[in-house]
Amino acid sequence: GAGVSQTPSNKVTEKGKYVELRCDPISGHTALYWYRQSLGQGPEFLIYFQGTGAADDSGLPNDRFFAVRPEGSVSTLKIQRTERGDSAVYLCASGGQGYGYTFGSGTRLTVV
Amino acid sequence: DQQVKQNSPSLSVQEGRISILNCDYTNSMFDYFLWYKKYPAEGPTFLISISSIKDKNEDGRFTVFLNKSAKHLSLHIVPSQPGDSAVYFCAASAYNTDKLIFGTGTRLQVFP
Repeated sequence: GAGVSQTPSNKVTEKGKYVELRCDPISGHTALYWYRQSLGQGPEFLIYFQGTGAADDSGLPNDRFFAVRPEGSVSTLKIQRTERGDSAVYLCASGGQGYGYTFGSGTRLTVV
Repeated sequence: DQQVKQNSPSLSVQEGRISILNCDYTNSMFDYFLWYKKYPAEGPTFLISISSIKDKNEDGRFTVFLNKSAKHLSLHIVPSQPGDSAVYFCAASAYNTDKLIFGTGTRLQVFP
């Protein structure tokens, strides 16, 4: 597609449940990034993939968070045992070379 | 520890006048700086960037100035237009990393 696609756009889940958030990057982009934006804050880095491998996962807050990109294209961010503090907009971005990355519209996750 | 700071949460400017958005950073390893613009329910959109080897970069109505000694950058928009009303994020990255550190954003409102 023309842009970065994220699904679902909204997700409401109960505390303790497992969720998966999907990102479909721009075709041909090798770099893929996940960020999280809480209310009143700027986007916060979570993880960066170069191809299939996680080049930098230093932003993942704890071991409840995990992300995969098995074929170097679509990526899934997985959150286990969700907590109310996980509520945020999860943003995915993809990029070619350099710093011109393109963000998707995000998935708004609400944990109730 | 907020490495990128945008101390003005909001700014209101009359159409046709100049908008100046400010950003300060603390990490001397940052060597690339970007501004993103964000409309509600959309992902951030890249606006303009500057490398630490420059002190100014201009693109149409948008100019970014970098003062490395003061660890300060600013975005000038002139003339401001109502369509510029959005939240503006300053972001920075360090040498040899694609991870961006964002500020908390400044909401710009341009009124007629």
